[in-house]
Amino acid sequence: GAVVSQHPSWVICKSGTSVKIECRSLDFQATTMFWYRQFPKQSLMLMATSNEGSKATYEQGVEKDKFLINHASLTLSTLTVTSAHPEDSSFYICSAGGRFGPGTRLTVL
Amino acid sequence: AQTVTQSQPEMSVQEAETVTLSCTYDTSESDYYLFWYKQPPSRQMILVIRQEAYKQQNATENRFSVNFQKAAKSFSLKISDSQLGDAAMYFCAYRRWGSGTYKYIFGTGTRLKVLA
Repeated sequence: GAVVSQHPSWVICKSGTSVKIECRSLDFQATTMFWYRQFPKQSLMLMATSNEGSKATYEQGVEKDKFLINHASLTLSTLTVTSAHPEDSSFYICSAGGRFGPGTRLTVL
Repeated sequence: AQTVTQSQPEMSVQEAETVTLSCTYDTSESDYYLFWYKQPPSRQMILVIRQEAYKQQNATENRFSVNFQKAAKSFSLKISDSQLGDAAMYFCAYRRWGSGTYKYIFGTGTRLKVLA
């Protein structure tokens, strides 16, 4: 139980475009989901807390206008990286119910 | 603010031997949870073991056990009979309650190499 999925698993995009990453709780409902960012050989850094039906809570230093989060239902949260730049290239992981998704590798050219 | 420290960037262990990974944390709270997560090359985070702070008994899960020293704020992971599949990054994590939800704080990780 408590399976969390992410889509896509990897994405390559051009600089200036926007990319959407989905996080789904497959067999449970999650009023709260979390988005992390992990650079190579580094730890997970919490970016924001996604709250169903209300605004996301962002950690200090995370640009809310750049990383748009929408928690449209009890099983789906989306992270949109707007106007992506090469420095946004990273591994993005979502979490819900104490479980983690498989992550999404974003490469911005 | 809570912090989690893993002082060993990398550890090596011979197959079938035992290894201990260290973790210390800092908090002023009395009730919290501590976790060890494994991240293999696939980068999928896998829960290894968890400890509730109010429980004095150390948690165990098969070959994995912890040494939880609450007063010392220490939470080490012991892997017995190490296997090649244990090779991975291991993250110690502290779970706190804040802003109406739980949040995890991760250590910097320890890369475990298992030698055949």
